[in-house]
Amino acid sequence: NAGVMQNPRHLVRRRGQEARLRCSPMKGHSHVYWYRQLPEEGLKFMVYLQKENIIDESGMPKERFSAEFPKEGPSILRIQQVVRGDSAAYFCASSRQVTSGRETDTQYFGPGTRLTVL
Amino acid sequence: AQKITQTQPGMFVQEKEAVTLDCTYDTSDPSYGLFWYKQPSSGEMIFLIYQGSYDQQNATEGRYSLNFQKARKSANLVISASQLGDSAMYFCAMREGWGGYQKVTFGIGTKLQVIP
Repeated sequence: NAGVMQNPRHLVRRRGQEARLRCSPMKGHSHVYWYRQLPEEGLKFMVYLQKENIIDESGMPKERFSAEFPKEGPSILRIQQVVRGDSAAYFCASSRQVTSGRETDTQYFGPGTRLTVL
Repeated sequence: AQKITQTQPGMFVQEKEAVTLDCTYDTSDPSYGLFWYKQPSSGEMIFLIYQGSYDQQNATEGRYSLNFQKARKSANLVISASQLGDSAMYFCAMREGWGGYQKVTFGIGTKLQVIP
């Protein structure tokens, strides 16, 4: 399966714990995006990364949330000291590069990680 | 102003009929891309169709077509010959800007239910 991989698919945490969400982009894709989807809502952009660089984190809360995309390994979205309001589906997407056109423009999504905070 | 507007929270369509899901967008950028994604009850986001702002022809992908009216800033999705498996949430999205950055904004979605 050459698609975007996310793990875990489901994650349960108690308030105050840390949540780590992983995303491996599609082969040949060097751009990663994280989105959050609250129940019955659309996707909200959180952060856009390239290898070892955060390009835009304007959608990510300033506190407790961080993201990285190291030179080797998957992209990680980290939520420290989780609260109930963090319960949501977190989607990762990847794209080939940033130019116009169907093949390069399109973001392909992983299956998502559903985070539940007790 | 909303970047992406989907005014139909829910739609019903008879199996084998065609259905149009509305989407309007707002941008002053001459270069942009428009997308439709399907999210079935299982939760994954499935890419359906793409339209670039400079594309001369409307995009088509099998039973999906995008009715792109640039002057009206609309990008409606047309699903022909609906099937029960088409029941899902459908999201319209737009990518703005070029030359180094790709940020995508999603609409709130339309829930489509196909009736047997």
